[in-house]
Amino acid sequence: GAVVSQHPSRVICKSGTSVKIECRSLDFQATTMFWYRQFPKQSLMLMATSNEGSKATYEQGVEKDKFLINHASLTLSTLTVTSAHPEDSSFYICRMEPRGRNTEAFFGQGTRLTVV
Amino acid sequence: GEDVEQSLFLSVREGDSSVINCTYTDSSSTYLYWYKQEPGAGLQLLTYIFSNMDMKQDQRLTVLLNKKDKHLSLRIADTQTGDSAIYFCAYHGSGNTGKLIFGQGTTLQVKP
Repeated sequence: GAVVSQHPSRVICKSGTSVKIECRSLDFQATTMFWYRQFPKQSLMLMATSNEGSKATYEQGVEKDKFLINHASLTLSTLTVTSAHPEDSSFYICRMEPRGRNTEAFFGQGTRLTVV
Repeated sequence: GEDVEQSLFLSVREGDSSVINCTYTDSSSTYLYWYKQEPGAGLQLLTYIFSNMDMKQDQRLTVLLNKKDKHLSLRIADTQTGDSAIYFCAYHGSGNTGKLIFGQGTTLQVKP
């Protein structure tokens, strides 16, 4: 089946530094990519959506200058948390949607970010 | 608006059936989904149901959809300890866009 590889799985960084999280689809082309954030014992909160050939669309309340999304290719998307603060500590998950198959949504394994 | 409600916790004994319930507000989504999340991991699509169906069975999983009441349920037969996880229902928001709206998740605890 389709696989999405997300890494790193865990990262600890110092306040003020930037962290890049990468999601890669291994055997399909993803025309749409989604980034979610999940707080402990809570649901997934959509942060942004990026479609092929266009800039990411951010959800209300999500700072686009802080959470930089680069839809580099049809198989790669990155989320960079810039100038990280402890309140950015969370579980970040990407989701990639194959071309023409929007009933299927493949999630990465998630990245646990801890900002100290 | 778009909202999904789930009960937060369910505890069952191994071998029993588990039923996880979900109610939603927006009925325009063509598909509704159930995802499983194991500790520290991403989400795994378990099953989905087309909105004009009222039941779908897939091995130990049975999905029931009551579109009139906007109620979705997931029944797991012969629940095993490996089924312990958080289960999320989800649907496409805002008229079938790719954006998925998730419930809060139901933590299923299976006792031996």
